Amino acid sequence: DAKTTQPPSMDCAEGRAANLPCNHSTISGNEYVYWYRQIHSQGPQYIIHGLKNNETNEMASLIITEDRKSSTLILPHATLRDTAVYYCIVRVRTGGFKTIFGAGTRLFVKA
Amino acid sequence: NAGVTQTPKFRVLKTGQSMTLLCAQDMNHEYMYWYRQDPGMGLRLIHYSVGEGTTAKGEVPDGYNVSRLKKQNFLLGLESAAPSQTSVYFCASSYPHPDTQYFGPGTRLTVL
Repeated sequence: DAKTTQPPSMDCAEGRAANLPCNHSTISGNEYVYWYRQIHSQGPQYIIHGLKNNETNEMASLIITEDRKSSTLILPHATLRDTAVYYCIVRVRTGGFKTIFGAGTRLFVKA
Repeated sequence: NAGVTQTPKFRVLKTGQSMTLLCAQDMNHEYMYWYRQDPGMGLRLIHYSVGEGTTAKGEVPDGYNVSRLKKQNFLLGLESAAPSQTSVYFCASSYPHPDTQYFGPGTRLTVL
């Protein structure tokens, strides 16, 4: 699985968009970008995933650059409850392979 | 649906004791995973299973054993607990396609 690089921490004002970057310059053609988050003391929660095209669901949007070497997770209207560690993971879509969770980005949403 | 459940939620062991952590899922998922998370660190994969009766090693398998006798259950065993195994243990499950993993609430284990 490709290695990812994320900033260790970020701040965001409540109600504003939170843009979390992720670099994955060694991504392979069959690898997807997954995002999870972990709110304090809870199990990680799946947010979104994508291959080439931008994706949107009820939680967030995922923007992947054309060369697929980086991506951005967007929380359009951050709330205090979005304070969490966000993990960017690059891996093949088929299960059963090792999933490596890095240190992630600790997002602080401030009132 | 209860999703992924883990028992127990908390446990304190003495060095050398043994215990089994139970993970159960009611989503008919094929794949199941055990992770550990140490303070301030990300999750590390211990063992995983791609189906009933199968298991495979993850990133940090030493000191742990697993069994998947039933599709819905994945057991993690510590035969002789060590202080280095003090951690929070998370179980997860998924379908093969796509492999979006659903996590349990965790088990906090302290080994004295």
